[in-house]
Amino acid sequence: GAVVSQHPSWVICKSGTSVKIECRSLDFQATTMFWYRQFPKQSLMLMATSNEGSKATYEQGVEKDKFLINHASLTLSTLTVTSAHPEDSSFYICSARGDGEETQYFGPGTRLLVL
Amino acid sequence: AQSVTQLDSHVSVSEGTPVLLRCNYSSSYSPSLFWYVQHPNKGLQLLLKYTSAATLVKGINGFEAEFKKSETSFHLTKPSAHMSDAAEYFCVVIKGATDKLIFGTGTRLQVFP
Repeated sequence: GAVVSQHPSWVICKSGTSVKIECRSLDFQATTMFWYRQFPKQSLMLMATSNEGSKATYEQGVEKDKFLINHASLTLSTLTVTSAHPEDSSFYICSARGDGEETQYFGPGTRLLVL
Repeated sequence: AQSVTQLDSHVSVSEGTPVLLRCNYSSSYSPSLFWYVQHPNKGLQLLLKYTSAATLVKGINGFEAEFKKSETSFHLTKPSAHMSDAAEYFCVVIKGATDKLIFGTGTRLQVFP
């Protein structure tokens, strides 16, 4: 149980284009989903927290207009990197948590390379 | 404020020997603590969690961790390392009422044949 998927697993795009990453909880309802960014050989940095049906809460320093998050259902959250630039290249990981739960279950990550 | 400190950035062991990955925490109250493992280019997998029940927590793949309040530690151990254990390990604490995860800096475990 508690499986989280991400799609795509990797993506290469041109500078200036937008990229959408999906995060799905496959066998449970995720009232809260989290988006993290991980730089090489570093720990995870929380970007934003999203609750189903409401606006995401962004961490300090994360541009909400650049990283659009939608959590339209209890099993799906999307992260859209708008007008991507090479500095947005990174490993993006989502996690999901059920209602009243403490444990976050992580997706396998999406590697984004912006050329 | 809650925080975790992973004392070793790298640990190397031989296959079949014990593993010890150290983690100390700082918390003003009884914390919820986790160990996650990340294999290269993969997401994080939950190994085990402590939530104020038994102080010795058993996880998957033969790992276990002991919560020691007197030492503010939550070290991860395994009696016998396997090649497949080579990965990055993160000690994590929940940040108070926000329920956000606070990650340690990670420990890279290498296992030699």
